[in-house]
Amino acid sequence: AQTVTQSQPEMSVQEAETVTLSCTYDTSENNYYLFWYKQPPSRQMILVIRQEAYKQQNATENRFSVNFQKAAKSFSLKISDSQLGDTAMYFCAFIDTGANSKLTFGKGITLSVRP
Amino acid sequence: KAGVTQTPRYLIKTRGQQVTLSCSPISGHRSVSWYQQTPGQGLQFLFEYFSETQRNKGNFPGRFSGRQFSNSRSEMNVSTLELGDSALYLCASSSGPQPEQYFGPGTRLTVT
Repeated sequence: AQTVTQSQPEMSVQEAETVTLSCTYDTSENNYYLFWYKQPPSRQMILVIRQEAYKQQNATENRFSVNFQKAAKSFSLKISDSQLGDTAMYFCAFIDTGANSKLTFGKGITLSVRP
Repeated sequence: KAGVTQTPRYLIKTRGQQVTLSCSPISGHRSVSWYQQTPGQGLQFLFEYFSETQRNKGNFPGRFSGRQFSNSRSEMNVSTLELGDSALYLCASSSGPQPEQYFGPGTRLTVT
């Protein structure tokens, strides 16, 4: 069974600065995808970024980038130039590439961006 | 394209009643998954439907059930509600070939 661990329950960052959110996972699968989702106070779950396990290149989406370390089973999210609208819960999630469409989520981390 | 929609957005029920929640996926998406979100347990997978067939199921009691229609819309039903069923129920759709799941706004269920 896959597990996803987010050990930091809360983080805070000053507007315009950079913050890194940590995530580790455990799986015996070799082919899978990892995601970061954002859940603002509205509770709408928003896909931030995805990473394919077979790709060595780290994914980037505008101010969001990941540091994917497959051997270490680590998948951190870096948010550059933090904005007030980045305040939200962030969830790390895993899915394998089989017919199983089950997303396994971490417990989430609450990020607060200070003005 | 319109996003995933869920109805109703809020629901208050009494213990012992049953409830049906509805989810309309993004147009063209054939896979619909349901998740329960609570402060204590986090996000937990309920089940997934693809082409009107349940393809995967989480570890929830038989009181939780679902179905999918030919237009890919999905419903989930919870019978004999318990206080512990109070949660945010999230529906997500995906296209199948791509693994990303796109979520609806959720239905907040309160059981009193």
